[in-house]
Amino acid sequence: NAGVTQTPKFQVLKTGQSMTLQCAQDMNHNSMYWYRQDPGMGLRLIYYSASEGTTDKGEVPNGYNVSRLNKREFSLRLESAAPSQTSVYFCASRNYDGMYEQYFGPGTRLTVT
Amino acid sequence: AQSVTQPDIHITVSEGASLELRCNYSYGATPYLFWYVQSPGQGLQLLLKYFSGDTLVQGIKGFEAEFKRSQSSFNLRKPSVHWSDAAEYFCAVGLPTSGTYKYIFGTGTRLKVLA
Repeated sequence: NAGVTQTPKFQVLKTGQSMTLQCAQDMNHNSMYWYRQDPGMGLRLIYYSASEGTTDKGEVPNGYNVSRLNKREFSLRLESAAPSQTSVYFCASRNYDGMYEQYFGPGTRLTVT
Repeated sequence: AQSVTQPDIHITVSEGASLELRCNYSYGATPYLFWYVQSPGQGLQLLLKYFSGDTLVQGIKGFEAEFKRSQSSFNLRKPSVHWSDAAEYFCAVGLPTSGTYKYIFGTGTRLKVLA
């Protein structure tokens, strides 16, 4: 099992450009999450998906959109990137098995200039 | 509003010394509680979790944590720190919402270990 995978690992964008961060999990998990990590601020939830076909806003959704393409994949889109979106983005997944813990991907480091 | 507080931004200990990292949460009921560790440039790895039952939980790498309901705390401890424990540590709570759980993380504590 690869667990949770994210692509790309690194990305540099200019202000105003768009891009999609990809996340996939092969653990048959129902719930998936997107976080951003900034120095001194821990992880903040951007969006989450309880199950295929549903998405909900987290703590910091402005400037982002998501798509739960199927049970495996959950993408995060920046329509018009801003320097404030420079961050490390983590995807995570979780199953309904009562264990409640999340499994994290390796992260995508995004720089917006 | 629910929150997680890690009051220590940085902690420095000598190798072999004991360690305690503090975590306090704000939530009406007993939440699900987690500690994660993140090495530089890496993702997050689960150290341990608490759902119910025994308030002292054991995790990987020799870590343990104690849930204290009266203090709304879930502090992480290790009796003897190794140089490889240098990393950033995050406390998190899992809260039920819309058919799943969402998670709130603390701002992290960066641990430095002196040889």
